This record gives sequence, C-alpha cells and structure tokens, in this order.
Amino acid sequence: ETGVTQSPTHLIKTRGQQVTLRCSSQSGHNTVSWYQQALGQGPQFIFQYYREEENGRGNFPPRFSGLQFPNYSSELNVNALELDDSALYLCASSLAEASGYTDTQYFGPGTRLTVL
Amino acid sequence: AQKVTQAQTEISVVEKEDVTLDCVYETRDTTYYLFWYKQPPSGELVFLIRRNSFDEQNEISGRYSWNFQKSTSSFNFTITASQVVDSAVYFCALSGPSLKTSYDKVIFGPGTSLSVIP
Repeated sequence: ETGVTQSPTHLIKTRGQQVTLRCSSQSGHNTVSWYQQALGQGPQFIFQYYREEENGRGNFPPRFSGLQFPNYSSELNVNALELDDSALYLCASSLAEASGYTDTQYFGPGTRLTVL
Repeated sequence: AQKVTQAQTEISVVEKEDVTLDCVYETRDTTYYLFWYKQPPSGELVFLIRRNSFDEQNEISGRYSWNFQKSTSSFNFTITASQVVDSAVYFCALSGPSLKTSYDKVIFGPGTSLSVIP
C-alpha cells in the first residue's frame, strides 16, 4: 500500500449537487495531484497543489476546485454536478524538492462518484 | 504537446507465457520521465517503474523488464512467466521536467487490459 488514503470510497449524487472528496497524502509528501478516470479510459489530470496553492491545472472547468491544508491533505470540490462527472477520482501524492525535482506520484484507491 | 499511445487495447495470454506491452510517446521536452502503472480490478493505481529520458539502460526487475528507445519514442514493458495475479490494466505514462515554474502532471495512455488465463 502507498499510504495515500481517500474518502469516501463510493458516493452517489444527483445532477446539480455539490460534492467534496478528501485525500490524505503519504507521510513526507508535500504535493497532491487529482485525476479523473472515466470508465475504460486513462486518468486525466485535474490539478495539482503544492504548499497549499494550485500549481497547475488541466482542462477542467472552474466548478472543479480544490484545497490543500497545512498537513498536505487535500480536498477536491465539484459544484453543479453533471452526469459526465461520474468517474473514479484519484488522488496522488509526491515529494517536490526545493531544487524543483519531483519524485514519483503514488496513488490512493480512489473515490467512485456516480451522478444520477 | 505530450501524448501517450498504447495500441494494444486488450491482450490475453496463458499463464507462464511472456507478454510485452507496447507504449509510444510524444513530447517536445528534452527531459522527461516515463512510467508504468498497474491498475487491478480494485482500482488503485500501483507504481511499477520510472525511467528518465537520460537513462536508456534497460533493466530487469524480477519478472518485469522494460525496453526504452528514444530513437523510436518507445517504452515497452515485458512480464516474463505471467501469472494470473498479473491480470490488470496497465498504463504507460509520461511527465515533463519538474521545474520551479512548472508543475508535474502525468499524462496517461489509454491503457492495455491484460488477462492471464490459468
């Protein structure tokens, strides 16, 4: 196991609702990245947080937002849920050093979100 | 633009056979990293190997080996003497240089579903 945990495991919401997903990073890691994985596809990068700030974003609308806390855990918030938001949401943690070097990303088990 | 292609959608092999998973990548970066991840039915992505663009030395780690060739932009992965527990979706992935002004996102291929039949 990687030491990256996510909650909840499964979630069912209806269209238009809001959802918050949580991630605890591996001990010693300071960077958290979020990915969306639709059924049968590879994970797609949503955004990354480093030192509590968004440090890069993929092609996702602003209704996808996040937070990173001082203990490096993170939340992913999705507003105004749409049917296409149904997916496995993966969190990955890694260590970014002051030199700019970033180590391998290690993934959590994911949260399966179903939007009805 | 960065892109990862895995042409094999599904592969089935009989237990103990060797299997090679193909990966072709595109990037304009001179420094980059290549990865293989495994995703069993449980859903968690499991890190297998990482290679940087300056290290084309191919290695063997247990039953796993990989063949990195910059000339053809390929990063193939081989499992020797496959086992039923190897059944999973395998993703090849690419990330760019980790600079202070950049960020480290991983670009995944579409995955290859491997079934090992007993």
